[in-house]
Amino acid sequence: NAGVTQTPKFQVLKTGQSMTLQCAQDMNHEYMSWYRQDPGMGLRLIHYSVGAGITDQGEVPNGYNVSRSTTEDFPLRLLSAAPSQTSVYFCASSDPGTRTDTQYFGPGTRLTVL
Amino acid sequence: GNSVTQMEGPVTLSEEAFLTINCTYTATGYPSLFWYVQYPGEGLQLLLKATKADDKGSNKGFEATYRKETTSFHLEKGSVQVSDSAVYFCALIYNQGGKLIFGQGTELSVKP
Repeated sequence: NAGVTQTPKFQVLKTGQSMTLQCAQDMNHEYMSWYRQDPGMGLRLIHYSVGAGITDQGEVPNGYNVSRSTTEDFPLRLLSAAPSQTSVYFCASSDPGTRTDTQYFGPGTRLTVL
Repeated sequence: GNSVTQMEGPVTLSEEAFLTINCTYTATGYPSLFWYVQYPGEGLQLLLKATKADDKGSNKGFEATYRKETTSFHLEKGSVQVSDSAVYFCALIYNQGGKLIFGQGTELSVKP
């Protein structure tokens, strides 16, 4: 199993540009989520999905869109990039059948918005 | 609301020193508690977890005990190594469904 994969690893955007961060998992997990990691703030939940066709907002959803057309893929779209979106983005997946569900994280995408 | 508070870093220790990273939480009900570790340039990986009061999670020489009376889940290791240098995150899940709430992370640096 490749686990959770993310592309690209690094990205530089100009203010106003749009882009999609890709996330895929091969563990047949129903639950997938996107976090952003900023210094001194831990990880904050952006959006999550409990299954194909179902998405919901997390703690910091503004400026981001998601969709979940398949179990495997959960792309994150930045509609109009802003410098405040400079961060490291992590995708995670889990199989939340119980309260002990472990989340598996991808390697991250480091995004810089100029 | 539900939250996790960790001791601030960075924490710098010499090899073979004793490590404690404090973590306290606020949550309704009975959350599951986790420690994740992030090595430089990598994503997070689960270090250990505990799902009910008085449970002890352990892995790679690290351990943490779920203390409901003090709402704490402190991470300990008896003898740290240079390879333990990383950022450690305490986290909780407060209901079934996988929404993790993280502390701010504690950077650990171990010197030879």
